[in-house]
Amino acid sequence: KAGVTQTPRYLIKTRGQQVTLSCSPISGHRSVSWYQQTPGQGLQFLFEYFSETQRNKGNFPGRFSGRQFSNSRSEMNVSTLELGDSALYLCASSPGSFYGYTFGSGTRLTVV
Amino acid sequence: QQQVKQSPQSLIVQKGGISIINCAYENTAFDYFPWYQQFPGKGPALLIAIRPDVSEKKEGRFTISFNKSAKQFSLHIMDSQPGDSATYFCAARGSNTGNQFYFGTGTSLTVIP
Repeated sequence: KAGVTQTPRYLIKTRGQQVTLSCSPISGHRSVSWYQQTPGQGLQFLFEYFSETQRNKGNFPGRFSGRQFSNSRSEMNVSTLELGDSALYLCASSPGSFYGYTFGSGTRLTVV
Repeated sequence: QQQVKQSPQSLIVQKGGISIINCAYENTAFDYFPWYQQFPGKGPALLIAIRPDVSEKKEGRFTISFNKSAKQFSLHIMDSQPGDSATYFCAARGSNTGNQFYFGTGTSLTVIP
């Protein structure tokens, strides 16, 4: 059974640019959540999508957005990148609200 | 506000020893408490989880102890091995948090051979 796949694994962007990260959940999982992981702040919740609808959103600025497609694949977008956006972005999928997460290996974003 | 507080920040244990990591929470609506293990360059992996209707759950060398009245739970790693060296995160989710998990700040465990 394939796990959660995140692409790309590494990304270097310049301040002011925008970036799109992709996540393919485990087959059959309809919930996809995104987290930002940094050494200082730990794992911070960005948002969750379920059946193409955003169900929950963390405390991040509007520059962070996401979407989910009918096949449950999800993308997150960060516009007008700032140096502080450098982090590991993790995608996690689950069958639904009463289950734990399976995380992908993440996308390491570096903003220079 | 940190919903889940984790300690210690780092831990060094001899091979064969017991590693203990503690977490505390405030939200009494939390009803699912997993522990994740993360190796460098990888995403967190679910290790073991517990619900508040039991006080202990054991899977192999890993045990969660849960104290509902104290709002605390802990991970015990018995017979710790160098391969257990990783960062461990506790987490919690509740009926009023949707599918959002709140994570502790992590414990870096080093097991010395």
